[in-house]
Amino acid sequence: KNQVEQSPQSLIILEGKNCTLQCNYTVSPFSNLRWYKQDTGRGPVSLTIMTFSENTKSNGRYTATLDADTKQSSLHITASQLSDSASYICVVPYNQGGKLIFGQGTELSVKP
Amino acid sequence: NAGVTQTPKFRILKIGQSMTLQCTQDMNHNYMYWYRQDPGMGLKLIYYSVGAGITDKGEVPNGYNVSRSTTEDFPLRLELAAPSQTSVYFCASSYSTSGPYNEQFFGPGTRLTVL
Repeated sequence: KNQVEQSPQSLIILEGKNCTLQCNYTVSPFSNLRWYKQDTGRGPVSLTIMTFSENTKSNGRYTATLDADTKQSSLHITASQLSDSASYICVVPYNQGGKLIFGQGTELSVKP
Repeated sequence: NAGVTQTPKFRILKIGQSMTLQCTQDMNHNYMYWYRQDPGMGLKLIYYSVGAGITDKGEVPNGYNVSRSTTEDFPLRLELAAPSQTSVYFCASSYSTSGPYNEQFFGPGTRLTVL
């Protein structure tokens, strides 16, 4: 069964600290994986995309990794800021028609 | 360039009432989608469209209808509202469905409560 699972469900960290969010997927065939950020009361916004051949990609303080062998991805946030407080969602397409499987998200709260 | 816009932002319906959630995009995307997001759950696809005049069911289509008469607009219709349809509804669009161009752009959402 095609699934995307994220951990932890929620996370509280202090401003300035680093954190890592995990995503495990069982979607096959696999082409790419996206991380979205969803601020409270807003729609998700894409942070980065990881294709099959990519291992690591950085976007500012966000670094995503992908291990296609173990079907795992992670999102590492460095030097967290209060504005990083949001839900982070891992998304994988499961057919050519544009359908996506969304993880349940990790709710990150950055405290001062 | 407004991206994806949705109206209304909030709505309270009584059981059995009907309403249409509006969605418009100005990016000339062929692909458009409707999702619902229940508290603590991932987004679930209700309906999608690959172009004007073409729509198809997603994962949870029961109780909803859609139409796509233009590239820009993709309204979602609730005919007989039920409490189970209380949710946040997101409309999205994308340029393509493959590779790096499959990024979906989301609207701000409509928070619907059915009492």
